[in-house]
Amino acid sequence: QKEVEQDPGPLSVPEGAIVSLNCTYSNSAFQYFMWYRQYSRKGPELLMYTYSSGNKEDGRFTAQVDKSSKYISLFIRDSQPSDSATYLCAMRSGGSYIPTFGRGTSLIVHP
Amino acid sequence: GAVVSQHPSWVICKSGTSVKIECRSLDFQATTMFWYRQFPKQSLMLMATSNEGSKATYEQGVEKDKFLINHASLTLSTLTVTSAHPEDSSFYICSPGGTGKTYEQYFGPGTRLTVT
Repeated sequence: QKEVEQDPGPLSVPEGAIVSLNCTYSNSAFQYFMWYRQYSRKGPELLMYTYSSGNKEDGRFTAQVDKSSKYISLFIRDSQPSDSATYLCAMRSGGSYIPTFGRGTSLIVHP
Repeated sequence: GAVVSQHPSWVICKSGTSVKIECRSLDFQATTMFWYRQFPKQSLMLMATSNEGSKATYEQGVEKDKFLINHASLTLSTLTVTSAHPEDSSFYICSPGGTGKTYEQYFGPGTRLTVT
């Protein structure tokens, strides 16, 4: 079992839909949780980070962390074609600066 | 966020030759540099971690004599792929550390290496 599991997709949705992206993990020491967006042939761009459990909202993006279930989510409201990209979850423990990444989920938002 | 550049963005080389990739942190001093490799539709895999002025630490399975990392200054780190082979074709991404923010990690735009 990998430390971080993420469905690679692709996930195809119509413009305006609410998108739910998820990751599960097995390491209970993980405390910092990040979501990155990666466009084709570009480096990852940090979208959201959360510490421990809870929700965090930034514009159309909401990140949720449920440590009891070892499950994190990223919600995108009113999705746009420009949101089409690969979304990577990443997480790390408090004692490390090096995150563990998921495989990434390919999202396609069609007009 | 931190501004990071990589050069070249795309390089094609012949098998057996060496390729150098540069990573520059443009607006802060990177005391640490992480180098990642990403194969198509795969996640980022950490190759090595380097600290300015010292030898890099390589992850298990990464050949240190093949992937030479130099971190001679706080703004520049280089990755040299020596005697490249087609299986080295990948997307290489640097990520500087030492930004002062423990939770944010920024990445360079990446270098696509194709070995023919």
